[in-house]
Amino acid sequence: GNSVTQMEGPVTLSEEAFLTINCTYTATGYPSLFWYVQYPGEGLQLLLKATKADDKGSNKGFEATYRKETTSFHLEKGSVQVSDSAVYFCALSDSGYSTLTFGKGTMLLVSP
Amino acid sequence: DARVTQTPRHKVTEMGQEVTMRCQPILGHNTVFWYRQTMMQGLELLAYFRNRAPLDDSGMPKDRFSAEMPDATLATLKIQPSEPRDSAVYFCATIGDTNTEAFFGQGTRLTVV
Repeated sequence: GNSVTQMEGPVTLSEEAFLTINCTYTATGYPSLFWYVQYPGEGLQLLLKATKADDKGSNKGFEATYRKETTSFHLEKGSVQVSDSAVYFCALSDSGYSTLTFGKGTMLLVSP
Repeated sequence: DARVTQTPRHKVTEMGQEVTMRCQPILGHNTVFWYRQTMMQGLELLAYFRNRAPLDDSGMPKDRFSAEMPDATLATLKIQPSEPRDSAVYFCATIGDTNTEAFFGQGTRLTVV
């Protein structure tokens, strides 16, 4: 079956530091890949997505590239802000969205 | 501003009581997911529907949980009887035919004492 593995947190950084959160997946076929973000007390929101190999998703300074050869979709940001503190979830869906599988989430804490 | 609406936002109940959580999908979204979120297990898929038909509820304890979509504007998740281990945040998420993004509600935080 499908699965997503992401690095455990919390990840603690100072403002303006570089961020990487690793994500690898197992899936049959050609899944779509997503990063969702969850702020305290809220539901998940889509941060970025990529639907085919070598696609790069980007939003709000965050980027992730769909790497089929390494089955990875690592999240990066060049300079984090305090407001980026949240839990980040890597996810995949197969064609037709019959399933949406999430990783366990990585908490990011950014200090001033 | 289209959004998924979940009610109630918070529920505290005693063990053994029935709990019903409701979700109003975004108008026109025909795929509805129910997830449970806990610190230990993360996000677990409980059930999902497409065009109101249940497609997969294998993640749900069948003896006490039930999920239904009585119409296209309402999905329900019911626990009877509730137990302390059911304490979690329950999320509803929906997808439309033309979307590639799942939209989440704000969740129902359930506490069973």
